Amino acid sequence: GIQVEQSPPDLILQEGANSTLRCNFSDSVNNLQWFHQNPWGQLINLFYIPSGTKQNGRLSATTVATERYSLLYISSSQTTDSGVYFCAVRNYGGATNKLIFGTGTLLAVQP
Amino acid sequence: DSGVTQTPKHLITATGQRVTLRCSPRSGDLSVYWYQQSLDQGLQFLIQYYNGEERAKGNILERFSAQQFPDLHSELNLSSLELGDSALYFCASSVGQGKTEAFFGQGTRLTVV
Repeated sequence: GIQVEQSPPDLILQEGANSTLRCNFSDSVNNLQWFHQNPWGQLINLFYIPSGTKQNGRLSATTVATERYSLLYISSSQTTDSGVYFCAVRNYGGATNKLIFGTGTLLAVQP
Repeated sequence: DSGVTQTPKHLITATGQRVTLRCSPRSGDLSVYWYQQSLDQGLQFLIQYYNGEERAKGNILERFSAQQFPDLHSELNLSSLELGDSALYFCASSVGQGKTEAFFGQGTRLTVV
């Protein structure tokens, strides 16, 4: 099945710093989503971005489907950005409709 | 608020018991997905229903079962519980299948003692 790899696995930032999180996937996808899991365990939708670029405030994301990767940019990080960031994909033409999650990037933003 | 409602939020039960987790999808969504998140396994897909029918199955144990009712809410039944079943169980919903965005509920944190 399709493999989803995220990097880096862990990241520590000072408040105000910028960061880039990467998601690589091994096959064509027709759905890619970025989620933030906050310290209370809630999964929050950040972007639905099977291709192209989107921005939402301090966050933006780019997916280059032909090269099988997506990037999540966090600018001017805040302590509330801490948590785990997941990339999840759905395989184009796959036998199932499941979203396959990467292992996540654990982000800690220090004041 | 994602619009997906899961109950209960927390559940503590003993080994060997049976529990039922409930999920109400967002209004208009026909697909419901169940995921298990444990510390050592990450987010694992369990099962998907679309408009009342089972459409996809992941590594769901035989002790686990699910269904989607005519009003589109779904229930996940876990029986003969073991300590290793302790996890966060998420429900997600989407309008359709494939190229549609999925939204997750707040999860049910199950602790088996």
